[in-house]
Parts: sequence; C-alpha cells; structure tokens
Amino acid sequence: NAGVTQTPKFQVLKTGQSMTLQCAQDMNHNSMYWYRQDPGMGLRLIYYSASEGTTDKGEVPNGYNVSRLNKREFSLRLESAAPSQTSVYFCASSTLWGLDSPLHFGNGTRLTVT
Amino acid sequence: AQKVTQAQTEISVVEKEDVTLDCVYETRDTTYYLFWYKQPPSGELVFLIRRNSFDEQNEISGRYSWNFQKSTSSFNFTITASQVVDSAVYFCALSDYSGGGADGLTFGKGTHLIIQP
Repeated sequence: NAGVTQTPKFQVLKTGQSMTLQCAQDMNHNSMYWYRQDPGMGLRLIYYSASEGTTDKGEVPNGYNVSRLNKREFSLRLESAAPSQTSVYFCASSTLWGLDSPLHFGNGTRLTVT
Repeated sequence: AQKVTQAQTEISVVEKEDVTLDCVYETRDTTYYLFWYKQPPSGELVFLIRRNSFDEQNEISGRYSWNFQKSTSSFNFTITASQVVDSAVYFCALSDYSGGGADGLTFGKGTHLIIQP
C-alpha cells in the first residue's frame, strides 16, 4: 500500500523560480493537507482541502497556491520561490473532515531556495 | 497564542531507561482531540495515538503509555524500557473547534528523543 505519495523528494530552486509539489493518496480519503516543517517550529498548516472541490487557507498560506485536482491528488504551487520557503513540505490526508481524524503523512519534500 | 507546548526540546537517555515526554495544551473547547506522532530519522511522520477530551483513561500499548489529565491540560507520553529504535522526534498535536476543527492539527514544536546504547 502506497498511502500518501509525494514528489519530488528533493528540490533546489533559485529565487523567483516556480514549481509544483505533487501529492497523491490511495486510501480514498476525503481531506488533504499541506504542512511545512521548519527547525524549532513544528509543523504549520499551509492549505487544506476538506473535500474534493474545496480548498482553504491554513496558518501560513502566503506565497503558495493549491489545487485539489480530484479526490486523490492535491498539489502545492510556489509561483515565485523565496529563500524563506526553504523547508520540508509534508502532504497528509485523513478519512473525513473532523476533529478526530488522524492524519496520514507522505514522506516529505525537502526544498531549498537559493 | 501557542496551543500545544512541548517544553522538552531534547531528551537523551540510556537504553532501557524509562522516559516521559511532556505535552501541555490550551483550549477553550470542551470537545477536542489530542494526538501523538513520531518522526524517526528517516523523516516520515507516524500516527501513534488519538485521545478525545471525554476519555481520561490511560492508554497502554506495549512499552508505550499515555497519561491524559484534563485537570492539568496535559497528555504525557511514557516509553518504558527505551530502545535505540525509539530515537525520534515526537510531536503532540491538538484538534479543537476554535482551531477550525479538522482544518489541520495544531502541533507542538516536538521533542527530540535520543536513546543511547
């Protein structure tokens, strides 16, 4: 079982470049999320999609856009990368949109912006 | 305001020692859920446990146990007879309505646990 698959695993960008992080889940989950993890900061929510066709901002959405392409896929786009976006990005999914749904995480994408 | 506090940034113990990871949370809601996740050196995040605010029973799973105390707003995690494979960063997280429900969890900053052989 693949679970949550993120691509790429590593990426180096120059300031101003754009890129899309891809995420797909095969667990038939309704909700999907993008987090970033920075040293000493824990995980912070960027955007989420409670269900197919909906997306909402999280705690740190500036500089990012998302697309819920279908029930399986949820992509994160950086239109003009900045060094402050150097981070590890995690995609996650959960069965339902609700308080009690544990998140299932992908393996992360390590992004460096120079 | 920070809603989940993991005051221990790093803990180092010798293998076979017991270790407790502290988690203190803040919420105005009466209904909420608490979670623990493990992040081993390989980097993935693994769900360990979920506890709802109405269930204060302690949970034991093998060498792992969790102590939930509403009176002190704490949800502590104890590893008994620690092993090197327990070395990881452990995150406590909170889901409540004031945080928007399941528009994601609020995570603590994590505790880096090092088990020395």
